[in-house]
Amino acid sequence: GQQVMQIPQYQHVQEGEDFTTYCNSSTTLSNIQWYKQRPGGHPVFLIQLVKSGEVKKQKRLTFQFGEAKKNSSLHITATQTTDVGTYFCAGGTDSWGKFQFGAGTQVVVTP
Amino acid sequence: IAGITQAPTSQILAAGRRMTLRCTQDMRHNAMYWYRQDLGLGLRLIHYSNTAGTTGKGEVPDGYSVSRANTDDFPLTLASAVPSQTSVYFCASSDSGLATGGEQFFGPGTRLTVL
Repeated sequence: GQQVMQIPQYQHVQEGEDFTTYCNSSTTLSNIQWYKQRPGGHPVFLIQLVKSGEVKKQKRLTFQFGEAKKNSSLHITATQTTDVGTYFCAGGTDSWGKFQFGAGTQVVVTP
Repeated sequence: IAGITQAPTSQILAAGRRMTLRCTQDMRHNAMYWYRQDLGLGLRLIHYSNTAGTTGKGEVPDGYSVSRANTDDFPLTLASAVPSQTSVYFCASSDSGLATGGEQFFGPGTRLTVL
């Protein structure tokens, strides 16, 4: 069945550094979404990518969808303490029941 | 205030008991979803509904049932709870479906412990 894998599972970052989290699917996706969940909170939508090779930016966050639509990345520049949380990718296919979240990357920022 | 509400916030339940988790949205979204979140596994889709009157199975539907009598409400029922159903449950809704994509709005979650 479809598998959405996310790496790394855990990321410890010094404030001001950059980091990247990666998302890989075993099957071709119709779209990919990224969510952020603060400790004790609920997932909050960040962005959706639909097109092959698509790149979108939100301030210090850069999201990319691979050419084959099987992988994606989230790059954060100049990390701040407000970036703390778990970042999830979620992949959609043409089948409703196959929507799948990755296990998430937990980000800890050291001042 | 627009959004999704879930009830209860938390619950401790004896194994074998029946339990219904409630979810209500006031955004008039067509699609609604139930996920469970377990440490190290992310969120897993239990059931979904793409419009009132229809439901479908997600990745982990066994032991759970849902109904969608109207647009706003999407209750999740555990007919006979087991300890492996201990988890945090999130309800979500979106204006468009999972296949076409669209922002999912999540409720605050229900923390369920089955003993």
